[in-house]
Amino acid sequence: DGGITQSPKYLFRKEGQNVTLSCEQNLNHDAMYWYRQDPGQGLRLIYYSQIVNDFQKGDIAEGYSVSREKKESFPLTVTSAQKNPTAFYLCASHPEGATGWEKLFFGSGTQLSVL
Amino acid sequence: QQQVKQSPQSLIVQKGGISIINCAYENTAFDYFPWYQQFPGKGPALLIAIRPDVSEKKEGRFTISFNKSAKQFSLHIMDSQPGDSATYFCAASKGSNYQLIWGAGTKLIIKP
Repeated sequence: DGGITQSPKYLFRKEGQNVTLSCEQNLNHDAMYWYRQDPGQGLRLIYYSQIVNDFQKGDIAEGYSVSREKKESFPLTVTSAQKNPTAFYLCASHPEGATGWEKLFFGSGTQLSVL
Repeated sequence: QQQVKQSPQSLIVQKGGISIINCAYENTAFDYFPWYQQFPGKGPALLIAIRPDVSEKKEGRFTISFNKSAKQFSLHIMDSQPGDSATYFCAASKGSNYQLIWGAGTKLIIKP
């Protein structure tokens, strides 16, 4: 089955620690995204990548970093500079084409909490 | 001008009733309006979407109504079922800019 796999499902971060959230897709999509979801709020864009070895900051990139070394993988690192990292993190992708962007495919998310 | 305002925040509907969720936007350049459905512990999934050249789009029990002059659009769920219990997000985008602007979400509970 094609899809987006996020791991781990739950993650705990200690003070001053960097943690990395994994996102892997086998949909052959070029574009990938990271969103943050907080209770009672809409999704906010952290980073996005349209092609391998290229990525752009979204609305709330501070305290986060990403890499895109392979088409299938788009890991997100939550650094110690992110002072309020507790949230549900969602990875998404979409296919190429004139209307490919109209449908985002999401993973099942990672819940990050601070110890 | 980039905001999409969604209401209500939560909604309880009896089984078989009609669920209505509303969204309003300011930016008249928006030209694509999707609705996503999210179950607990899962990512959102596209439910239905509309462009401003039509006033209504229906897919099964789900209908989007679009009012361009009022800058509002709404999701109607007919014959609501317990399996429809989820959080619903509206969103808006303009042209080929695929960075969606999301509403805050509506938690829908369908009572059996």
